[in-house]
Amino acid sequence: DTGVSQNPRHKITKRGQNVTFRCDPISEHNRLYWYRQTLGQGPEFLTYFQNEAQLEKSRLLSDRFSAERPKGSFSTLEIQRTEQGDSAMYLCASSFGTGASYEQYFGPGTRLTVT
Amino acid sequence: AQSVTQLGSHVSVSEGALVLLRCNYSSSVPPYLFWYVQYPNQGLQLLLKYTTGATLVKGINGFEAEFKKSETSFHLTKPSAHMSDAAEYFCAVSEGSNQFYFGTGTSLTVIP
Repeated sequence: DTGVSQNPRHKITKRGQNVTFRCDPISEHNRLYWYRQTLGQGPEFLTYFQNEAQLEKSRLLSDRFSAERPKGSFSTLEIQRTEQGDSAMYLCASSFGTGASYEQYFGPGTRLTVT
Repeated sequence: AQSVTQLGSHVSVSEGALVLLRCNYSSSVPPYLFWYVQYPNQGLQLLLKYTTGATLVKGINGFEAEFKKSETSFHLTKPSAHMSDAAEYFCAVSEGSNQFYFGTGTSLTVIP
């Protein structure tokens, strides 16, 4: 069990550029979640996948955000035309099982800075 | 709608003293409750969780929490603080929707 990994760990980009983050969940986990965490706040839910299907998206996930999980393995989160307000830590988590009681295992996050 | 309130964004305790971090939730159905810890530049690590059954839950590193339905609380305690406990602590609630709702976190400082 190597845990959830995320790449890159840090990303600095200029406003208006597109960025893509990758998350590799724990191998046997069928659920994958994306969260955004800003300074002094707890993580906020963005979206989640069960296998390759994206089942829920938060209102926080504007049209500039898109997430995929091809083949139900790794996932990517893309932000188009980045804005300064997108600066945050983007966390990925995975869980085994389909119930709400299953704990989520978090990766180390990708810190995005938009200049 | 679910929400989580963590009273006290910063808590300081002396090494060896009791740690008490407060969490209150609102939920329309019996919730699942979690406490996570986050060290600087790291992801969140699960400390403990409550799903059903015994209301006093024991977790890792000597932490425990008690689910009190009548008070809608799930406070985290540790009898004796250690320097390594200094971190950010998050309470989270989950219902049937499978997404977690997190509180704003409590930063714990341990004074030697």
